[in-house]
Amino acid sequence: EAGVAQSPRYKIIEKRQSVAFWCNPISGHATLYWYQQILGQGPKLLIQFQNNGVVDDSQLPKDRFSAERLKGVDSTLKIQPAKLEDSAVYLCASSLRARKPPPPNEQFFGPGTRLTVL
Amino acid sequence: ILNVEQSPQSLHVQEGDSTNFTCSFPSSNFYALHWYRWETAKSPEALFVMTLNGDEKKKGRISATLNTKEGYSYLYIKGSQPEDSATYLCAFYGNQFYFGTGTSLTVIP
Repeated sequence: EAGVAQSPRYKIIEKRQSVAFWCNPISGHATLYWYQQILGQGPKLLIQFQNNGVVDDSQLPKDRFSAERLKGVDSTLKIQPAKLEDSAVYLCASSLRARKPPPPNEQFFGPGTRLTVL
Repeated sequence: ILNVEQSPQSLHVQEGDSTNFTCSFPSSNFYALHWYRWETAKSPEALFVMTLNGDEKKKGRISATLNTKEGYSYLYIKGSQPEDSATYLCAFYGNQFYFGTGTSLTVIP
């Protein structure tokens, strides 16, 4: 079974530039998560999708970050314009389905994209 | 934003030693506690999904316990091996996932 794919693995940009990350979850996984991990901190949830709908984006800085999951499969996360404090590893994860009620299933993570903003 | 704390922040042990670390989380609105292992240059990998107070889970030499009433979980590694070297993350699920900062374990051969 193929794992969660992410690209690019590394990206270096200057502040005020734009950047986009791509994630392809495990086939059949309904739930997709994007996390931001700043050095020395734990991963912080940015957005959670259930199929192509947003479940939670309360911690997404919507003035500069956007995300979509067209057709409920792969997803893109965009930052426009980037700031120095956006330097982090961006992790994508997927899980089989979101249960109602919770608890959620285990998450399967991609390798992450390391973003450096200069 | 909820506070999920892990201790210690880092740990060095000799091969063969047993070790344990702690994850502390809010005791209210609890649905699940996940443990993940994150090896350098790899993806985080799920170890345990724990949902019930008093849960005990085991996978090989690694085990975990859960106390939802007092808000903590312990992860135990028996007879540590160099391949156990990784960062161990816990994630609390109330209305969304909140991760701790992790415990970095180094096992010295």
